Amino acid sequence: EPEVTQTPSHQVTQMGQEVILRCVPISNHLYFYWYRQILGQKVEFLVSFYNNEISEKSEIFDDQFSVERPDGSNFTLKIRSTKLEDSAMYFCASSVSGRAETQYFGPGTRLLVL
Amino acid sequence: SQQGEEDPQALSIQEGENATMNCSYKTSINNLQWYRQNSGRGLVHLILIRSNEREKHSGRLRVTLDTSKKSSSLLITASRAADTASYFCATAVRAQKLVFGQGTRLTINP
Repeated sequence: EPEVTQTPSHQVTQMGQEVILRCVPISNHLYFYWYRQILGQKVEFLVSFYNNEISEKSEIFDDQFSVERPDGSNFTLKIRSTKLEDSAMYFCASSVSGRAETQYFGPGTRLLVL
Repeated sequence: SQQGEEDPQALSIQEGENATMNCSYKTSINNLQWYRQNSGRGLVHLILIRSNEREKHSGRLRVTLDTSKKSSSLLITASRAADTASYFCATAVRAQKLVFGQGTRLTINP
């Protein structure tokens, strides 16, 4: 069964460093998402992406964050200058369409900022 | 105010018993989805119920939706140790963004 994959599974970085989290969505899906979950807290929406542009973003997704689909398969989240409070589990998800369809989540990347 | 709040926050039952978790939300929705998360792992989609549906079944799972009360319930019948996980409801308010609740931590005791 097709699934969303994410790399790396764990990332440790120093405050102020740039990180790039990678995702490979399910191949026939057209909508892509990033969510994050700070330890012990809710899963929070960050951004949705369709047709090579951001379609919606939350207030968390400030200028330090960017997303890109550099080729036909990868979907990346970049954090330009990490802060301690960026430590979280980051989930990528994809769906066939954006019309309230099931979103399939990857296993997540656990980011620790020191 | 929070969209998508689960109740109870934690539930511990014996294997073989049924587990019921509830979710309340505040705004109109397109659909409501339930996800499972094993400790520190990814989110596994369980079931989606649309706003015009009242009940849905999938294996040992039964989900109900009451849009007049803005609430949903997830029933897991004949629970197993492998059902131990956190369960989240997520509401689709607009087409794309899912809003998650805090989750219910379910523990199945052998």
